[in-house]
Amino acid sequence: DTEVTQTPKHLVMGMTNKKSLKCEQHMGHRAMYWYKQKAKKPPELMFVYSYEKLSINESVPSRFSPECPNSSLLNLHLHALQPEDSALYLCASSTGTSAYNEQFFGPGTRLTVL
Amino acid sequence: GQQVMQIPQYQHVQEGEDFTTYCNSSTTLSNIQWYKQRPGGHPVFLIQLVKSGEVKKQKRLTFQFGEAKKNSSLHITATQTTDVGTYFCAGPANYGQNFVFGPGTRLSVLP
Repeated sequence: DTEVTQTPKHLVMGMTNKKSLKCEQHMGHRAMYWYKQKAKKPPELMFVYSYEKLSINESVPSRFSPECPNSSLLNLHLHALQPEDSALYLCASSTGTSAYNEQFFGPGTRLTVL
Repeated sequence: GQQVMQIPQYQHVQEGEDFTTYCNSSTTLSNIQWYKQRPGGHPVFLIQLVKSGEVKKQKRLTFQFGEAKKNSSLHITATQTTDVGTYFCAGPANYGQNFVFGPGTRLSVLP
């Protein structure tokens, strides 16, 4: 199985809601990532998990809270988001965090904050 | 932080024409990766270049890594409508883990 899955595909939430994005991979990868992608822009790294521990947080606001319950799962908890947080949220995984490792991306969750 | 730039930003070609996108860095890169993202899709890994002057081919796609390892190019011969999408190069981030994406070149192919 060489697939990264993400749920939900689409999410609309108000600024006071709490929601979670989910990501799963069964390739045995030990590095997992969250990216944010605005329209016509490249993916922008948010968080990196290595062996289920947070290794990189790219100065992301605390209204985004990542969680890695096990080596196959990655969550992104959302609370009190702003309309400018509307974007495509991509999860990716790789065998390790080295820049030499190919990243496998999921299909993304398209988030709209009202 | 580490940045890679890409030109052009957009390219419109007639089907059958060739296409080239260029990726440039102000610093030497240990390696470079290329990804393709179709409209409405997610980035998909195409290739990685590691050696100075390296050239790799995938059917109609030719990837090059510059001798100084500061630039790279992707050339598509005889474009097809299936080539439509945004092509990103990605170079290592300063802290050695992971990498940073270039801004991308968006290719549209007119049938």
